[in-house]
Amino acid sequence: KNQVEQSPQSLIILEGKNCTLQCNYTVSPFSNLRWYKQDTGRGPVSLTIMTFSENTKSNGRYTATLDADTKQSSLHITASQLSDSASYICVVKPSGYNKLIFGAGTRLAVHP
Amino acid sequence: EPEVTQTPSHQVTQMGQEVILRCVPISNHLYFYWYRQILGQKVEFLVSFYNNEISEKSEIFDDQFSVERPDGSNFTLKIRSTKLEDSAMYFCASSLRGGGDSNQPQHFGDGTRLSIL
Repeated sequence: KNQVEQSPQSLIILEGKNCTLQCNYTVSPFSNLRWYKQDTGRGPVSLTIMTFSENTKSNGRYTATLDADTKQSSLHITASQLSDSASYICVVKPSGYNKLIFGAGTRLAVHP
Repeated sequence: EPEVTQTPSHQVTQMGQEVILRCVPISNHLYFYWYRQILGQKVEFLVSFYNNEISEKSEIFDDQFSVERPDGSNFTLKIRSTKLEDSAMYFCASSLRGGGDSNQPQHFGDGTRLSIL
């Protein structure tokens, strides 16, 4: 069954610290993997999109990595800010489909 | 930056009633989507729409659901006879291009919270 699993479920860090969020997927065949940020009460916002041939992609302080062989991805946040408090969702697009398959997200809280 | 807008932000409806959720996708986008998120659960795909027809739908999208692009700017989701389990946040999204291996981002609205009483 096509699934996307994320860890940890939730994370608390202090402002200015770095953190890494993990994603494992079983979706196959696979077209691309996306990371979205979802603030409370808002819709998801795209951070990065990586095809199977890309190993890493950055968007400001966000860096995503992808290992298509082990079906793992990570999102690294550098020098966290209070505004980074949100859910970060790993999303996979299966090859040949329009739909996106969402993980449950990691809820990140950045404290001062 | 262009946005996907959804109305209303919150809809309360009696069970068995019809409800229409409205979306205005980004103006030059060609692919449109509806997703839902039941409280505490993952976002789930419902349907995609391209060239005035459904291009893909999930098993959730049964005969009680329909979508329409009534004019050049709006995209609607209709639930014919609502059930308690239809209570969820419904997100509309749009993308410039789509199709099987597209790596175009899907841009999401802020959702309509549907509460069925």
